[in-house]
Amino acid sequence: NAGVMQNPRHLVRRRGQEARLRCSPMKGHSHVYWYRQLPEEGLKFMVYLQKENIIDESGMPKERFSAEFPKEGPSILRIQQVVRGDSAAYFCASSETGYYNEQFFGPGTRLTVL
Amino acid sequence: SQQGEEDPQALSIQEGENATMNCSYKTSINNLQWYRQNSGRGLVHLILIRSNEREKHSGRLRVTLDTSKKSSSLLITASRAADTASYFCATDPDSGGGADGLTFGKGTHLIIQP
Repeated sequence: NAGVMQNPRHLVRRRGQEARLRCSPMKGHSHVYWYRQLPEEGLKFMVYLQKENIIDESGMPKERFSAEFPKEGPSILRIQQVVRGDSAAYFCASSETGYYNEQFFGPGTRLTVL
Repeated sequence: SQQGEEDPQALSIQEGENATMNCSYKTSINNLQWYRQNSGRGLVHLILIRSNEREKHSGRLRVTLDTSKKSSSLLITASRAADTASYFCATDPDSGGGADGLTFGKGTHLIIQP
């Protein structure tokens, strides 16, 4: 049973470019969560999605960031017009249910903005 | 906003000794989880303790939860060099069916010296 998969593992972008981060949840999991970890800090919740629905995006920056979890395919975290402050590790987690959830994490995508 | 905070920030002990890390939080929770992060890797889920549980064991790990003090402890017995990592507590807030994102602290960096 494969775990949560994220790709790419490392992504380098220049300021102003777009970054697309992908997350495939564990088999049988329909709940996906995105977290951001800035250097020397803990993880911060960004967004919680179920298939085709955004349940909670209270942690998402108001501009440039968007997320989707289509009926088919992985969840995508999209960052438009990246800035240096977007450099961070982005972790995706999945759970089988949305209540009393036990979240399983992917290895993360490390985004570097030059 | 609620945040789990680990204590101490860093801990260095000799191999074979026991390591204890503490976590405090601010609001009521559904459960509390402990994660390990090896350098440059993603998070690994260690153990989940529900709000109605007081103690839980998993191998060399022992977790306690005191909801009256809003605190938890993680004990690693008979430490090994491979236990060197950062350990994070994460709380799943009791938000009345709202957001299901976990809130992480900044972590305790544990170093096991041979």
